[in-house]
Amino acid sequence: EPEVTQTPSHQVTQMGQEVILRCVPISNHLYFYWYRQILGQKVEFLVSFYNNEISEKSEIFDDQFSVERPDGSNFTLKIRSTKLEDSAMYFCASRSVDFNEKLFFGSGTQLSVL
Amino acid sequence: AQSVTQPDIHITVSEGASLELRCNYSYGATPYLFWYVQSPGQGLQLLLKYFSGDTLVQGIKGFEAEFKRSQSSFNLRKPSVHWSDAAEYFCAVGTDSWGKFQFGAGTQVVVTP
Repeated sequence: EPEVTQTPSHQVTQMGQEVILRCVPISNHLYFYWYRQILGQKVEFLVSFYNNEISEKSEIFDDQFSVERPDGSNFTLKIRSTKLEDSAMYFCASRSVDFNEKLFFGSGTQLSVL
Repeated sequence: AQSVTQPDIHITVSEGASLELRCNYSYGATPYLFWYVQSPGQGLQLLLKYFSGDTLVQGIKGFEAEFKRSQSSFNLRKPSVHWSDAAEYFCAVGTDSWGKFQFGAGTQVVVTP
């Protein structure tokens, strides 16, 4: 089965630093997503991305967050100035245009902000 | 706004026994419903989904789920669990199938010999 790949699997950063989380979606997919899961809490939708622009975002996704598809294969999530409360597992997901196709999730990047 | 509740945070079941995980949703119309499983160090894997039609849905790994509109439920079942079924299970609801889902808090399943 095809896979969504996320790197790194674990990222440790200092508060106030910028981090970029990387994802390689499945090659023929056109819809991309970021979700996050704070320890002990629910998986939360952050943002969806299609046709090189954000199609929807949650209230969590404030000005500190941005997404980009810098080339034909990568999809990144940038946090400009990390806060302690940004510590979470971040999941990337992608899907094709087929309405009945499922959402494929990556294995996640565990972000620890110290 | 839609919401999804998984009442059981943690379930312990013996290998070979049956398993049922509960999921209740709140949404004005018929939602799109999903069950995902997350094993340690792994991503979220789709077990099954319900969009419309037959309310009993078959999924991978021997799982099934039944949509009950009258109870606003979408419970996941497996007749006989295997040790490899130990994982965290998430119910999710969406207003469309495109990926903006709301997840439940998850149910951790432990399988004992």
